[in-house]
Amino acid sequence: AQSVTQLDSHVSVSEGTPVLLRCNYSSSYSPSLFWYVQHPNKGLQLLLKYTSAATLVKGINGFEAEFKKSETSFHLTKPSAHMSDAAEYFCVVAGYSSASKIIFGSGTRLSIRP
Amino acid sequence: NAGVTQTPKFQVLKTGQSMTLQCAQDMNHNSMYWYRQDPGMGLRLIYYSASEGTTDKGEVPNGYNVSRLNKREFSLRLESAAPSQTSVYFCASSVEGSSTDTQYFGPGTRLTVL
Repeated sequence: AQSVTQLDSHVSVSEGTPVLLRCNYSSSYSPSLFWYVQHPNKGLQLLLKYTSAATLVKGINGFEAEFKKSETSFHLTKPSAHMSDAAEYFCVVAGYSSASKIIFGSGTRLSIRP
Repeated sequence: NAGVTQTPKFQVLKTGQSMTLQCAQDMNHNSMYWYRQDPGMGLRLIYYSASEGTTDKGEVPNGYNVSRLNKREFSLRLESAAPSQTSVYFCASSVEGSSTDTQYFGPGTRLTVL
């Protein structure tokens, strides 16, 4: 069995300050982990993914995430927030061998203060 | 290259009515998916199609049927709509349906059942 927990439903930061969105997962085997972003009234778009290669994964728009097996975490970070980063972010764990066993977290809404 | 397209964008139904949500992709992907998104719950998989000619149930299939019409098109049908099916519906596709695949999402259909 597998699960994913996004620890914050809403995060608010000031423009130019760091962003941290937290995600913990549970999986019986080595997981594939993803972060997707959803801008208002849009579909989801891949930010980055971990598939058992390098544990520090770099994505689009300056985001990165680190896979920490000992902590079962896959937190998303960005050094400096931009107004355009305001969106909903989903942490996702995919099952062994098949994307049909995909589990989405409940989402974290990121707000950026001017 | 339009990616994943969905029609309609919005729909209002009365309880008991039926309708079909259409999805098409032009990326030559083998696998396609239907999700629903409800507030505070992330996305949940309704049905998926690993390849042309095959369909399988996901996490929440009750009340829905699907048809993989050809490699490009994957439709979702509500035979007798219920208020509990009020949601935003997303179609997605991926190359092979493996656990490491990136999924590409359509813009969504916002459905209200009265």
